[in-house]
Amino acid sequence: DAKTTQPTSMDCAEGRAANLPCNHSTISGNEYVYWYRQIHSQGPQYIIHGLKNNETNEMASLIITEDRKSSTLILPHATLRDTAVYYCIVRSNYGGSQGNLIFGKGTKLSVKP
Amino acid sequence: GAVVSQHPSWVICKSGTSVKIECRSLDFQATTMFWYRQFPKQSLMLMATSNEGSKATYEQGVEKDKFLINHASLTLSTLTVTSAHPEDSSFYICGGRGSNQPQHFGDGTRLSIL
Repeated sequence: DAKTTQPTSMDCAEGRAANLPCNHSTISGNEYVYWYRQIHSQGPQYIIHGLKNNETNEMASLIITEDRKSSTLILPHATLRDTAVYYCIVRSNYGGSQGNLIFGKGTKLSVKP
Repeated sequence: GAVVSQHPSWVICKSGTSVKIECRSLDFQATTMFWYRQFPKQSLMLMATSNEGSKATYEQGVEKDKFLINHASLTLSTLTVTSAHPEDSSFYICGGRGSNQPQHFGDGTRLSIL
């Protein structure tokens, strides 16, 4: 079972920041937080991941709370092409089944003009 | 970087035939590859993982004799759906992961069995 909780859906106005929350209250010390998104009829696309520090790349920023029990993915200027299902996944970087990505239901983000 | 190519993207075939799907990591060596299945309006479900040169590890409920996985090199894995039936119709997605890298995915194969 997925170890994260995300809202089922969210709307965002084009050009505004999209803030997608994720709860992972049972995360363990060796588990990272990963974010992927899936645009309709495509494979998932890697966005960003982090352990405890905030991270930023060309796609998004990831803010992880100090207790690591929740995080927020921020798309700074959402466009219509960002409409997708966003998955927050916790994963260990160890080998074996602990390293598998287990997908939950994700958040369907709809960016509106 | 980190591109995974999956082929074919779409296949329709008759019930009882076998279908092979290829997954290639184009610009990295995928020490571990993954196969997922996704039914309409559902999330991705992990079917199996494989390490190069080793037998695949299948998730509970996935028939290893029906879904044959070969991971013969660090850049190629194949999934063969044997004696496919209409209930095997689904969206199949492969992924690959190199050392200390995030997992990357192909664009999926839509399989329709008539």
